[in-house]
Amino acid sequence: NAGVTQTPKFRVLKTGQSMTLLCAQDMNHEYMYWYRQDPGMGLRLIHYSVGEGTTAKGEVPDGYNVSRLKKQNFLLGLESAAPSQTSVYFCASSYSDGGLAGGTDTQYFGPGTRLTVL
Amino acid sequence: GESVGLHLPTLSVQEGDNSIINCAYSNSASDYFIWYKQESGKGPQFIIDIRSNMDKRQGQRVTVLLNKTVKHLSLQIAATQPGDSAVYFCAENLGADGLTFGKGTHLIIQP
Repeated sequence: NAGVTQTPKFRVLKTGQSMTLLCAQDMNHEYMYWYRQDPGMGLRLIHYSVGEGTTAKGEVPDGYNVSRLKKQNFLLGLESAAPSQTSVYFCASSYSDGGLAGGTDTQYFGPGTRLTVL
Repeated sequence: GESVGLHLPTLSVQEGDNSIINCAYSNSASDYFIWYKQESGKGPQFIIDIRSNMDKRQGQRVTVLLNKTVKHLSLQIAATQPGDSAVYFCAENLGADGLTFGKGTHLIIQP
């Protein structure tokens, strides 16, 4: 199993450009998440999905859109990049929402995408 | 504002000593916490978790203690090794709503 993978690993954008970050997981997890991490900070939740075709806003959703067309993929889009979106972006997935179904609810993280917006 | 936070941004310990990393939370209704380890250039890695119906949970060389009275939890690492050098985060697990992370403690291992 590859676990959680993210592409690209690095990207530099100019202000106003758009891009899509791809997250893929091969663990058949229902839940997927996008976080951003700024220097010296913990991760903050941008958007998440509790299943194929569903998405929801997290703590810092403004300026981002997401789509979950396939269970294994979760896309994060920036329509018009701004310097404030310079950050490291992490995707995560988990089996369930709290172990209620008997499965693990540990979130597994990808290696991150380092994005710089000039 | 943050619901979880760590007391110290940096903790330096001698190799072989025990490390204790602390975390405080503000929401008395919080019932599920996770400790993550993040090495440089990598994503967070699950270490150990604890639910509010427990006071203590042990893993391999790690122990998490939860004090609900003072809303404090700690991560203890026994016989700290160079490979333990990383940033450690406590996080509140909100279930399907994701995780709320503290700011992290950078554990530095002195030879």
